[in-house]
Amino acid sequence: QVQLQESGPGLVKPSQTLSLTCTVSGGSISSGDYYWSWIRQPPGKGLEWIGYIYYSGSTYYNPSLKSRVTISVDTSKNQFSLKLSSVTAADTAVYYCASEARDGYNEHDYWGQGTLVTVSS
Amino acid sequence: QSVLTQPPSASGTPGQRVTISCSGSSSNIGSNTVNWYQQLPGTAPKLLIYSNNQRPSGVPDRFSGSKSGTSASLAISGLQSEDEADYYCAAWDDSLNGHVVFGGGTKLTVL
Repeated sequence: QVQLQESGPGLVKPSQTLSLTCTVSGGSISSGDYYWSWIRQPPGKGLEWIGYIYYSGSTYYNPSLKSRVTISVDTSKNQFSLKLSSVTAADTAVYYCASEARDGYNEHDYWGQGTLVTVSS
Repeated sequence: QSVLTQPPSASGTPGQRVTISCSGSSSNIGSNTVNWYQQLPGTAPKLLIYSNNQRPSGVPDRFSGSKSGTSASLAISGLQSEDEADYYCAAWDDSLNGHVVFGGGTKLTVL
């Protein structure tokens, strides 16, 4: 059973870079079965897909965030990471990492518990 | 404004059957499969239905999904109090090099 856990600062100042890491356990990030995704949810609002990375390093990003997003992977640590630059209050959200199946259906079958990141001075 | 359109709310009484709709376009639901997620209060979303109508192991058969054209539906039969949650549809969208899009979510209330 794959488990995911987000970690990182809960408070980021406006214009700075938000950085989060997701640690995968119960399976290898290099197994090839999954893309590794980031999804966010502003307080009281719906879900927004940020993007995913494959263990090889190939990435896909949400076009609306692409200019500010970088997702990277560290297979030696079984971790992948999110960086979101030039943040504003609109980036305040619960950030989830999740596995995205490579079966052609893009379902997110395993999720982390989520971490709230607040953008405020 | 979400790419996929869901009603903001739905309700039903215990034992009833309720359906939640999800409307999209030719670039998403019209050409790709639909997934559904259940989010209980204060928790992470949980995969409920994938590939339009497939249930992951452990999901009760009270939950079912369907797709027709550019719309999809989630049906919950034998409604139970523990089904009170937010429900989201999602699909791959082929536009702009491709990305996942979600519906805005439907809050289901069990009366």
